Amino acid sequence: AQKITQTQPGMFVQEKEAVTLDCTYDTSDPSYGLFWYKQPSSGEMIFLIYQGSYDQQNATEGRYSLNFQKARKSANLVISASQLGDSAMYFCAMSHTGGFKTIFGAGTRLFVKA
Amino acid sequence: NAGVTQTPKFRVLKTGQSMTLLCAQDMNHEYMYWYRQDPGMGLRLIHYSVGEGTTAKGEVPDGYNVSRLKKQNFLLGLESAAPSQTSVYFCASSPGQINEQFFGPGTRLTVL
Repeated sequence: AQKITQTQPGMFVQEKEAVTLDCTYDTSDPSYGLFWYKQPSSGEMIFLIYQGSYDQQNATEGRYSLNFQKARKSANLVISASQLGDSAMYFCAMSHTGGFKTIFGAGTRLFVKA
Repeated sequence: NAGVTQTPKFRVLKTGQSMTLLCAQDMNHEYMYWYRQDPGMGLRLIHYSVGEGTTAKGEVPDGYNVSRLKKQNFLLGLESAAPSQTSVYFCASSPGQINEQFFGPGTRLTVL
């Protein structure tokens, strides 16, 4: 069965440091996409980064990069040079073509300290 | 370009009442989704649509119905609201099956 696991309910990071948010997934579908979304305290869902299952290179978007290890079924989000505005809930999600469905992990709450 | 909009933003219902949540998108996306978000559980897919006139069940469809009569609109109905349906409801759309989803601002629903 498809599943997304985020094992870190909460994380603290010092401003300007890098932080890694963990995400592991399980699927038998060879074609899938992995996503990270940010949800600030205001409640909206903001798309951050996407990685396709056939992509050879790790995705990067500004200060965000996705550490994709296909054999280990992990898709960790790396935020470089953390900012106070990065404090938010972060969700890992997966979409796949077989038996179409999108599933989300339970989320990791990130706190950036000044 | 408004993106994805949801109506209403807040609603309080009594057990047994019915209501419809409206989602509209102006990006000409084929795919639309309804999720609910409960504390500690992330987002769970209720129903989705892969095009005008089509709907399909997601992970937690019981107690909800949907319709997609027009490509830009996706309606979520609660026929007989229950306290277990107290949640934040998000609508989203995407251009394809494996693409980023664009989310609406959410509707906070409380069922007493």
